[in-house]
Amino acid sequence: GESVGLHLPTLSVQEGDNSIINCAYSNSASDYFIWYKQESGKGPQFIIDIRSNMDKRQGQRVTVLLNKTVKHLSLQIAATQPGDSAVYFCAENRGGGSYIPTFGRGTSLIVHP
Amino acid sequence: EADIYQTPRYLVIGTGKKITLECSQTMGHDKMYWYQQDPGMELHLIHYSYGVNSTEKGDLSSESTVSRIRTEHFPLTLESARPSHTSQYLCASKGSAGGEQYFGPGTRLTVT
Repeated sequence: GESVGLHLPTLSVQEGDNSIINCAYSNSASDYFIWYKQESGKGPQFIIDIRSNMDKRQGQRVTVLLNKTVKHLSLQIAATQPGDSAVYFCAENRGGGSYIPTFGRGTSLIVHP
Repeated sequence: EADIYQTPRYLVIGTGKKITLECSQTMGHDKMYWYQQDPGMELHLIHYSYGVNSTEKGDLSSESTVSRIRTEHFPLTLESARPSHTSQYLCASKGSAGGEQYFGPGTRLTVT
């Protein structure tokens, strides 16, 4: 189908490097944030989440940082591997019991062996 | 692996045909969603449901309809397919307000 949107930004890294993927969110009332990974031909999969009462959360090889002052979210991937190549989306939940998350544009991560 | 399924995975169909994309989840989630996504592009919400007999239109008007007669089933119907409907359709479900969505594998639709 036709789309008016822009293609996704791309981040290219070498295997073993650390990757940082950034996301700006829109609503200061958002209280829950999620990062998803979407591999080619598949649906998005949950990676890590963070609530607005936290600044940082760590998972296995991934860290999410939340800066509420500038409404910015980042995903750090340590020792990036070829299997990390995918599109990464951030999503915000706008609080107040909203069940409709808002997705960011996404970033395509390409890991070169 | 999430217990959410979509069929068919791939579909090629002629203009004007009526089609239904199936989505089922076995997690007992109340909230279900349909998104449209062109390759390498953003997700666009087309329909969602808060529970049985509840359906709402999303941001993108795609000339489609949905129904939610059972908790586990959320089919999407295109009454008359057009080439502009060519896209990937993703179904998702969610169990609570603060939790993440679980996505199906998607249906890639091509309308000729």
